[in-house]
Amino acid sequence: GENVEQHPSTLSVQEGDSAVIKCTYSDSASNYFPWYKQELGKRPQLIIDIRSNVGEKKDQRIAVTLNKTAKHFSLHITETQPEDSAVYFCAANWLDGGADGLTFGKGTHLIIQP
Amino acid sequence: KAGVTQTPRYLIKTRGQQVTLSCSPISGHRSVSWYQQTPGQGLQFLFEYFSETQRNKGNFPGRFSGRQFSNSRSEMNVSTLELGDSALYLCASSWGTPQGNEQFFGPGTRLTVL
Repeated sequence: GENVEQHPSTLSVQEGDSAVIKCTYSDSASNYFPWYKQELGKRPQLIIDIRSNVGEKKDQRIAVTLNKTAKHFSLHITETQPEDSAVYFCAANWLDGGADGLTFGKGTHLIIQP
Repeated sequence: KAGVTQTPRYLIKTRGQQVTLSCSPISGHRSVSWYQQTPGQGLQFLFEYFSETQRNKGNFPGRFSGRQFSNSRSEMNVSTLELGDSALYLCASSWGTPQGNEQFFGPGTRLTVL
């Protein structure tokens, strides 16, 4: 089955700096890679996703890059703000047949220092 | 559009009992996936239902089961509860197609097994 590794487990950055979280996956058949943000006591929220036919996707301060050859993908947050503090999860899925079971990384606790 | 809802939000059970959790997806969504979230193991996929059929299953014992009704609402059942089943159980809904597989999570059911 699929295995997703996520690094680092904790990331502390100064407000205004950039943050990068990296994930690797094992199954070359995976073709959908979402990122979720989970604040303390709340549900995971989808913040951005990318499909394997795209190398990069941006949404305001958030971007995701995908390297299919190396089987890794990364989340980039620029100009970090206090409200970016949360746990971020990457995930991978294969879409053949429409099966929707996501395999998640262990999460990155992002801390924005004022 | 109303989001994904889950009931109950909190449950306390004792070892050996069984429990049923409920999930109502976003209107129109036909896929419901269930996940277990614990501090040690993170987010782990349990199973996914689409149009009342289980399409995908994770690596959990047979004590964990689920079903989906014709209105797409889903239930999961855990029999013979163990202390290690204490977790946040999250469901997520999506259209369930390769072009529409973004998953949106409910608030979760916090299960405590004593």
